[in-house]
Amino acid sequence: EVQLVESGGGLVQPGGSLRLSCAASGFAFSTYEMNWVRQAPGKGLEWIAYIGLSSTTVYYADSVEGRFTISRDNAENSLYLQMNSLRGEDTALYYCARVVRSSWYSFDYWGQGALVTVSS
Amino acid sequence: IQLTQSPSFLSASVGDRVTITCRATQGISRYLAWFQQKPGKAPKLLIYGASILQSGVPSRFSGVGFGTDFTLTISSLQPEDFATYYCQQVNSYPFTFGQGTRLEIK
Repeated sequence: EVQLVESGGGLVQPGGSLRLSCAASGFAFSTYEMNWVRQAPGKGLEWIAYIGLSSTTVYYADSVEGRFTISRDNAENSLYLQMNSLRGEDTALYYCARVVRSSWYSFDYWGQGALVTVSS
Repeated sequence: IQLTQSPSFLSASVGDRVTITCRATQGISRYLAWFQQKPGKAPKLLIYGASILQSGVPSRFSGVGFGTDFTLTISSLQPEDFATYYCQQVNSYPFTFGQGTRLEIK
């Protein structure tokens, strides 16, 4: 069974840092591209970051470029999101999602989300 | 690429046929997906490639479109279909989502 489990969320002050993890199981993690998507309370979905198979290719939304870093450890079957210089508008539920390139880049599996609250 | 869904809110009854549209600001071929999200849950993939039904998704869901205009149709609403629906383009980065369509029971 495919599973994606996020962890590392919590309360952080503005300007602070946090690192989210996404533990993958039930599939060959190293053969799938991955993404982070977030959802602010009561709002819609926002794609924020992508990483390719070997970490050499990454893309970011303008809203997080220069502050967030996506990475992966294929040996540990894990995806990460390092978040620095956090702002109030970064408060959201953060999801990791798997991409199936061969199926029109579909985001077929999602984790349950990790809540990040940025507040003083 | 911006995606605009319409309507943003839809009130319908069990058994109704409903259609949600998604318009892109530039052509995205068939790189369009539809998701269903229920409160407190992660989004669920319904359709990808504009018209391909994800495994396990009921056949009452269907999608059509190419380029800039896309639609999601639910042929006969069931009680479990009342949720928020999002379109997503994966043609180019940054990937973007529509603002969502909230489908509620009339």
